[in-house]
Amino acid sequence: EVQVVESGGDLVKPGGSLRLCCAASGFTVANAWMSWVRQAPGKGLEWVGRIKSNSDGGTVDYTAPVKGRFTISRDESRNTLYLDMNSLEIEDTAVYYCTTVDRTTAWYVAWGQGTLVTVSS
Amino acid sequence: DIQMTQSPSSVSASVGDRVTFTCRASQIIRSTKLAWYQQKPGKPPKLLIYAASSLQSGVPSRFSGSGSGTDFTLTISRLQPEDIATYFCLQANSFPLTVGGGTKVEIK
Repeated sequence: EVQVVESGGDLVKPGGSLRLCCAASGFTVANAWMSWVRQAPGKGLEWVGRIKSNSDGGTVDYTAPVKGRFTISRDESRNTLYLDMNSLEIEDTAVYYCTTVDRTTAWYVAWGQGTLVTVSS
Repeated sequence: DIQMTQSPSSVSASVGDRVTFTCRASQIIRSTKLAWYQQKPGKPPKLLIYAASSLQSGVPSRFSGSGSGTDFTLTISRLQPEDIATYFCLQANSFPLTVGGGTKVEIK
């Protein structure tokens, strides 16, 4: 069964840094398209960034508000996806979800339960 | 970025009613790149419909999707109590993927 589990959310001060982890099981992160998606309290979903599979080039794209501050990477030996967040702003406060594209539908089917990042002084 | 506009923002209907909501894209998107999700409070999104009209495995057949170009529709043929949730469309035609503002469904 394909599963992803996020961790690492915390309370952090503006300007601070945080690393989120997404542990994958039932598939190999190197062979999957994966994304980080966030949802601010009471708001809709915002795509933070996406990493393509190695076979599709492994490129990473970021949404404009986080470009230059956030970095997506993966550790194939740990089968884990990461989101490194720097220069955090109050507006980055959200539940962060990890999700992966399903091979059958080519859509994001498996989602974690999310991890809460709160940026506050 | 492609803007996705959903309407209505909320709907109140009775059990058994037919409920329809729409999603309009700011530019033409391929039908294969439009999906509908359901989200309940405190839970991650759940895929209902992909490629505009394909029913995800395990999703009740009362859910259906249609549309093309810039206009897409999600229909619940007979509303059930467990359908109380927020529904949103998602386009994957180009990055960043963008979602509609959502339609909150309540039972009268």
